[in-house]
Amino acid sequence: GQNIDQPTEMTATEGAIVQINCTYQTSGFNGLFWYQQHAGEAPTFLSYNVLDGLEEKGRFSSFLSRSKGYSYLLLKELQMKDSASYLCVSMDSNYQLIWGAGTKLIIKP
Amino acid sequence: NAGVTQTPKFRVLKTGQSMTLLCAQDMNHEYMYWYRQDPGMGLRLIHYSVGEGTTAKGEVPDGYNVSRLKKQNFLLGLESAAPSQTSVYFCASSPPDRENTGELFFGEGSRLTVL
Repeated sequence: GQNIDQPTEMTATEGAIVQINCTYQTSGFNGLFWYQQHAGEAPTFLSYNVLDGLEEKGRFSSFLSRSKGYSYLLLKELQMKDSASYLCVSMDSNYQLIWGAGTKLIIKP
Repeated sequence: NAGVTQTPKFRVLKTGQSMTLLCAQDMNHEYMYWYRQDPGMGLRLIHYSVGEGTTAKGEVPDGYNVSRLKKQNFLLGLESAAPSQTSVYFCASSPPDRENTGELFFGEGSRLTVL
């Protein structure tokens, strides 16, 4: 079956760096996405990886290893506003999105 | 700059009642989706549409119906609500090149409680 695994919750300190890991098993692969969702709000798109390697976008970076079925989202210089859930999403061979349950990131001062 | 708008934002229903959630987008997107989000689970696709007049079943379509009579609107109906349909419902849209970008644009969500 198709599955996304990511930690349920993580805690980090303001100003620090945190890495949120995600492993996926899907029928075929057409890309890996990360979304951010603040409590009570809609998910918003953060990043898209389809090739192996690191994609950097400001304080956020996303990494993909297709051979390992693995991705991570790296957040640098953490700010209190980064407290949110981070959703790992894989796209299968039929372009269907498989959503992870999300990692709730708690930032402490 | 409305984007994707859902109405209503909140609704409480009794078991067996019916209701319709409305989704409207002003970005001229071809694709529209209805998802539900439950605690501890990933978003699950209920129904989707790849263009005006077309709809298709997603992962959890039972108990729901949809219509896409106009390109900008996607309606989700519950004919006979059940407590298992208590959830947060999100509408989303995307341009036809979603296969390349993967970005979905979401509405603010509709919180539905069925008693």
